[in-house]
Amino acid sequence: GNSVTQMEGPVTLSEEAFLTINCTYTATGYPSLFWYVQYPGEGLQLLLKATKADDKGSNKGFEATYRKETTSFHLEKGSVQVSDSAVYFCALNGGATNKLIFGTGTLLAVQP
Amino acid sequence: SAVISQKPSRDICQRGTSLTIQCQVDSQVTMMFWYRQQPGQSLTLIATANQGSEATYESGFVIDKFPISRPNLTFSTLTVSNMSPEDSSIYLCSVGTGTKETQYFGPGTRLLVL
Repeated sequence: GNSVTQMEGPVTLSEEAFLTINCTYTATGYPSLFWYVQYPGEGLQLLLKATKADDKGSNKGFEATYRKETTSFHLEKGSVQVSDSAVYFCALNGGATNKLIFGTGTLLAVQP
Repeated sequence: SAVISQKPSRDICQRGTSLTIQCQVDSQVTMMFWYRQQPGQSLTLIATANQGSEATYESGFVIDKFPISRPNLTFSTLTVSNMSPEDSSIYLCSVGTGTKETQYFGPGTRLLVL
């Protein structure tokens, strides 16, 4: 079945550091891929998405590229801010049932 | 994107009681889903709420424990029945916009069972 494997956290960075959170997936066919973010005490917000191979999703300085050859969708940001501190979830939607399959989540803590 | 609200936002309940969570969307949507997020964990799909028919439950979740209603295309409820402390979680509803498309989430209901 479909699955998502996500980098274990927590990830602790200093402000303005480069961020990478790894995400790989297993799926039949061509799923859509997503990154969601959950700020403390809040629900999930869509951060970015990609729906086909080589698509790059981007938002708020975050980027992720859909790599079918490596079945990956790594999240990157060139310069993190304290306000980026949150839990980040990688997810896929394989389409047949429209179920979202989530990774375990990665806690990012950015220190000033 | 759809605007989704949930009620209550949080609650503290006694074991053995039941709580009904409401999810309201500001536009008609075909797909609505209910998820559980246990403390410090990821999200797990409980069921797909189908309008006009019984919900479709995922493995490990049953209708007697989590009855779901979907009377129309903008509203759904999830009941957590005969609660125990293990049911302490965040419960989130989401709506889908199409096949393989984005799901948008409500703010969640934070439930603590004593």
